[in-house]
Amino acid sequence: GAVVSQHPSRVICKSGTSVKIECRSLDFQATTMFWYRQFPKQSLMLMATSNEGSKATYEQGVEKDKFLINHASLTLSTLTVTSAHPEDSSFYICSARTRSSYEQYFGPGTRLTVT
Amino acid sequence: LAKTTQPISMDSYEGQEVNITCSHNNIATNDYITWYQQFPSQGPRFIIQGYKTKVTNEVASLFIPADRKSSTLSLPRVSLSDTAVYYCLVGDYINFGNEKLTFGTGTRLTIIP
Repeated sequence: GAVVSQHPSRVICKSGTSVKIECRSLDFQATTMFWYRQFPKQSLMLMATSNEGSKATYEQGVEKDKFLINHASLTLSTLTVTSAHPEDSSFYICSARTRSSYEQYFGPGTRLTVT
Repeated sequence: LAKTTQPISMDSYEGQEVNITCSHNNIATNDYITWYQQFPSQGPRFIIQGYKTKVTNEVASLFIPADRKSSTLSLPRVSLSDTAVYYCLVGDYINFGNEKLTFGTGTRLTIIP
């Protein structure tokens, strides 16, 4: 089956620093990748949609200059949280799909803690 | 996108069949019904998807009445490992460009030994 990986699985960073999270589709080419954020005991909230080779589309209320998304290849998308603050601490999850399949495959998530 | 309503939580004993119902009164003609499962600190996992009547796979069944205003996810003979949050999503996810998933509150299912 289709596998999506994320790296790192956990990261702790100091307030004011930036952190990059990678999302890779291991055995398929992802034309579209999605980034979600999930706070404890809450549902997933879509942050942005990225298509390979084009700029990401951000959901309302998500700061594009703070959450930089790059989808440089058909197997890799990155989310960079710039100038992170404690309120950015959350569980970040990516998903990917191909043009030929309706199913979205989710990564295992990255737990970000900003101290 | 169609709004969904599901119970916040459910408890069940091991070995029982569990049915989780989702209401989606304003489902559109092109919308499909999809269920995801999420364990703590993991990404969601696709369980099943359907458009009408009944769909069955190796892990679950999905029952959709003729008016499609609700759907029921049925998990046969649950075990402790089925303890998770189950999300019902409704949308035209099949078509490229409409694939944004909107997750509701989900149902937290707890299996009791």
